[in-house]
Amino acid sequence: DAKTTQPPSMDCAEGRAANLPCNHSTISGNEYVYWYRQIHSQGPQYIIHGLKNNETNEMASLIITEDRKSSTLILPHATLRDTAVYYCIVPSTDKLIFGTGTRLQVFP
Amino acid sequence: NAGVTQTPKFQVLKTGQSMTLQCAQDMNHEYMSWYRQDPGMGLRLIHYSVGAGITDQGEVPNGYNVSRSTTEDFPLRLLSAAPSQTSVYFCASSYLRISNTEAFFGQGTRLTVV
Repeated sequence: DAKTTQPPSMDCAEGRAANLPCNHSTISGNEYVYWYRQIHSQGPQYIIHGLKNNETNEMASLIITEDRKSSTLILPHATLRDTAVYYCIVPSTDKLIFGTGTRLQVFP
Repeated sequence: NAGVTQTPKFQVLKTGQSMTLQCAQDMNHEYMSWYRQDPGMGLRLIHYSVGAGITDQGEVPNGYNVSRSTTEDFPLRLLSAAPSQTSVYFCASSYLRISNTEAFFGQGTRLTVV
């Protein structure tokens, strides 16, 4: 299983872009990178996932380096409601293994 | 669609008691799983199922039993509750294998064992 490394915490001003990094240097060629977030103590929420190419949806953008050893989740205009713990995950075949994630604090 | 529904939302048990945490999904998802989350920690996988009649262990299976008799339901059983099982429990489901598609999570069951 590919292990991921994230900074424990980050701050971001409201309205600014939040860039959350993730290292996954042992990722295999056919493994996806997933991002989830958990607001307060609610159930985790899916954000985005990708394999090789950059991905964008209504919530965020995902930038994956060419060697696939790291990625960055971008929230283009962070709001106070984006304050949450963000998890970068490389799932094995049948398991979604969570680390401790990055606690993003968006401030006014 | 109701999504993933967990019941109860809160529960207090005495040490040694048994109970079943219920999880149901109405999205016809094949994959379902149970996690626990202790304060300040990430989620840890307890058990998972890739389809009716098929279950397997996750990271922390001891003290928990599961079965999957229908596609919709995946109950988690605590046979003899211990204070160490005080935690928030989350159920998740996905249409395909969880490495290939997004997972949907329930809102959690907050369990206290005294």
